[in-house]
Amino acid sequence: EDQVTQSPEALRLQEGESSSLNCSYTVSGLRGLFWYRQDPGKGPEFLFTLYSAGEEKEKERLKATLTKKESFLHITAPKPEDSATYLCAVPPYGWGKFQFGAGTQVVVTP
Amino acid sequence: EAGVTQSPTHLIKTRGQQATLRCSPISGHTSVYWYQQALGLGLQFLLWYDEGEERNRGNFPPRFSGRQFPNYSSELNVNALELEDSALYLCASSEDTGELFFGEGSRLTVL
Repeated sequence: EDQVTQSPEALRLQEGESSSLNCSYTVSGLRGLFWYRQDPGKGPEFLFTLYSAGEEKEKERLKATLTKKESFLHITAPKPEDSATYLCAVPPYGWGKFQFGAGTQVVVTP
Repeated sequence: EAGVTQSPTHLIKTRGQQATLRCSPISGHTSVYWYQQALGLGLQFLLWYDEGEERNRGNFPPRFSGRQFPNYSSELNVNALELEDSALYLCASSEDTGELFFGEGSRLTVL
């Protein structure tokens, strides 16, 4: 059963065109929701951890928010260097067996 | 501070052979995780090692195995390689906070 679902699968944005990515989860007793960025052929890079509903974290043009059932990654005024696949992950069975979503591939064109 | 390092970067094998991949975690991290990322697919959890012990295992056959050494480095062994084992194998390390720090991966191609 899927416990982490990301949408959309792909997103094409013009530079400066803000948008949001969604990560919905079905695990109970959330121990944290993690966002990562992955460039082609490379390992994911940690971005944020959110622990409780209502929490928000920001880093440059990225802002992550969390509700009881989903998380959003907002990209404000994106630049081409924000092009990447964004992954979310949860530890449904405690640390050690993180389940990753399939990711949202973001392409930002000049 | 050095990040997670993996070797080799690329590896080409033929069906039936064995592959060994290596990982050195960030200094001070005792947990090492292995993930498989096949082309077009998401990250699939393989193995978790902590303090030299296997703590958890994903839904992979027994021919996927590994170990963690006293210096916390780790190796992943894949026996009897099959074509579908072709993938990017990612190693990550962490402290107790949960954030995973990934290496650049080892790309395994099985011909």
